[in-house]
Amino acid sequence: QSALTQPASVSGSRGQSITISCTGTSSDVGGYNVVSWYQQHPGNAPKLIIYQVNRRPSGVSDRFSGSKSGNTASLTISGLQSDDAADYYCCTWAGGGSLVFGTGTKVTVL
Amino acid sequence: QLVESGGDLVQPGESLRLSCAVSGFNVNGRYVGWVRQAPGKGLEWVSILYSGDSAYYADSVKGRFTVSRDISKNTVDLQMNSLRAEDTAVYYCARVMSYYFCEDWGQGTLVTVSS
Repeated sequence: QSALTQPASVSGSRGQSITISCTGTSSDVGGYNVVSWYQQHPGNAPKLIIYQVNRRPSGVSDRFSGSKSGNTASLTISGLQSDDAADYYCCTWAGGGSLVFGTGTKVTVL
Repeated sequence: QLVESGGDLVQPGESLRLSCAVSGFNVNGRYVGWVRQAPGKGLEWVSILYSGDSAYYADSVKGRFTVSRDISKNTVDLQMNSLRAEDTAVYYCARVMSYYFCEDWGQGTLVTVSS
């Protein structure tokens, strides 16, 4: 199973909005509404920030939102803050018992 | 809460067993997965233990790694045989929910395969 495609890096100024894309195929992203997103700060374990495409776990800021169109899922971070600087990964079911992560995106806050 | 243990420095070809101690839920009938992250690289699924004995393995570890649960200890273990340099990574265990997202993660354990 090939990794989902994400941009290597995205940057934005504090207060701005950025969007990270996650592109797969009709066999993974496009086939199921179970895309999740994870935030990972250096040296830390990943943290769930979005599940089932657009749902937020309790305690996660509403500045994080998710969506999906066709074979591409997206994570939008609005009102960018310094603490949002991290790596972000998408993940989805890929059939046959497998899950697949995206290639990861490094977010830089200018 | 999930806590991994067992990471170590081993030589190529050797074996290692990782353990994921779970508290707060019963591993019997729950999905628990292992994810690894090589130094400076992204996240990669290694194995997922579903209900019963059904399990998924990444192609890169199929035939070498085996995942299992110990109900008496409430742990999920990953037996890793014939280790290779490319298996060097931080290994995380995570609770996989029914809609295939990881709600909880352990802190990770480092496996280094080097001669």
